[in-house]
Amino acid sequence: QQQVKQSPQSLIVQKGGIPIINCAYENTAFDYFPWYQQFPGKGPALLIAIRPDVSEKKEGRFTISFNKSAKQFSLHIMDSQPGDSATYFCAASMRISGSRLTFGEGTQLTVNP
Amino acid sequence: EAGVTQFPSHSVIEKGQTVTLRCDPISGHDNLYWYRRVMGKEIKFLLHFVKESKQDESGMPNNRFLAERTGGTYSTLKVQPAELEDSGVYFCASSQTGFVYGYTFGSGTRLTVV
Repeated sequence: QQQVKQSPQSLIVQKGGIPIINCAYENTAFDYFPWYQQFPGKGPALLIAIRPDVSEKKEGRFTISFNKSAKQFSLHIMDSQPGDSATYFCAASMRISGSRLTFGEGTQLTVNP
Repeated sequence: EAGVTQFPSHSVIEKGQTVTLRCDPISGHDNLYWYRRVMGKEIKFLLHFVKESKQDESGMPNNRFLAERTGGTYSTLKVQPAELEDSGVYFCASSQTGFVYGYTFGSGTRLTVV
């Protein structure tokens, strides 16, 4: 049973486009929702994270939108660049579990020049 | 500050053999985690150490997997005997003392069982 579902599996956009990656979760006890960025041959790196008490968080060109009632959250990348080409993972965690992360399946993003 | 280091970066072994993966966390990080990504699927939690103690090992797939953390420093994950379905990328991550949400991943060990 997969508790965090991520879509799409892959995404191709042109430079300057706004890729959007969506995630949905089932467990209402989750209270922390991070996004990780992974380049080939590297480990996932924390990109941005949100708590359920806010509906949006922005850091530079990256924005998380959070819909608590729908149990969905998404990552938007403004003015995307070829250097943003990577695999993106959404995840969820609950404090009671000691920060163990439940990941989505990942989205392979390609930004063409 | 050195990051989380994993050895080896790649390992190819035959079914039935034994493999040991090593993780050196960031110095001073009490929390150490093992995760695994199989066949392009989601990254799955395996277990969590706090210092040398296993805090949560509910994600370990079966008793062919054995994790240890010597003196609360580096950790090893042994697979014995390895099966084809054990192939994947094994990630280690560490974080500071206390409950923190964000932690640092290593680059992973790609294990291929043939």
